[in-house]
Amino acid sequence: RKEVEQDPGPFNVPEGATVAFNCTYSNSASQSFFWYRQDCRKEPKLLMSVYSSGNEDGRFTAQLNRASQYISLLIRDSKLSDSATYLCVVRGTGGFKTIFGAGTRLFVKA
Amino acid sequence: NAGVTQTPKFQVLKTGQSMTLQCAQDMNHEYMSWYRQDPGMGLRLIHYSVGAGITDQGEVPNGYNVSRSTTEDFPLRLLSAAPSQTSVYFCASESDSGGSGRLGGQFFGPGTRLTVL
Repeated sequence: RKEVEQDPGPFNVPEGATVAFNCTYSNSASQSFFWYRQDCRKEPKLLMSVYSSGNEDGRFTAQLNRASQYISLLIRDSKLSDSATYLCVVRGTGGFKTIFGAGTRLFVKA
Repeated sequence: NAGVTQTPKFQVLKTGQSMTLQCAQDMNHEYMSWYRQDPGMGLRLIHYSVGAGITDQGEVPNGYNVSRSTTEDFPLRLLSAAPSQTSVYFCASESDSGGSGRLGGQFFGPGTRLTVL
């Protein structure tokens, strides 16, 4: 089993739709969680950290469920510019063991 | 601020050649890392550094060396290139939020696309 697993997609949604991605992790001692987005042939860019209480940044909401060991990302009112690959990132204890998921591809269509 | 810069953008090597991928950041970040990204796989950590003079191995360190003589620079050396090292290489830097110990997420450079023939 991979340490961090994501549905590879692709997710094809119309503009204005709400879409949710899940990511599961295997190490229950994991401490920090992030979502990044990566455009085609570009570097990953930090989208948001994920906090235990859940957090929101505009149209984006991230949730953490430690009991079930998954994190989620909800995108409301999808825009064409949201088309990208979304990477789930989990960091363990001791600070620096960082595991990236393989990513979920999103296409938003007009 | 330029952020994280990487050179070269593209490189083709022959098997057995050596080279250095350059990475620099101007954000005074303590932490720097090198990753490789292969199709269908997540980014995998090669080496990382938590400050000048301090480096450690990540998940896939074999065939690579690093050094960190300054806060700004973190070069990655390929000792004897192999076709299995064909990949996209990303350098990243990160701050510990002013010494709080909480790492706030990484800033990535634009990547180096390496092909080994």
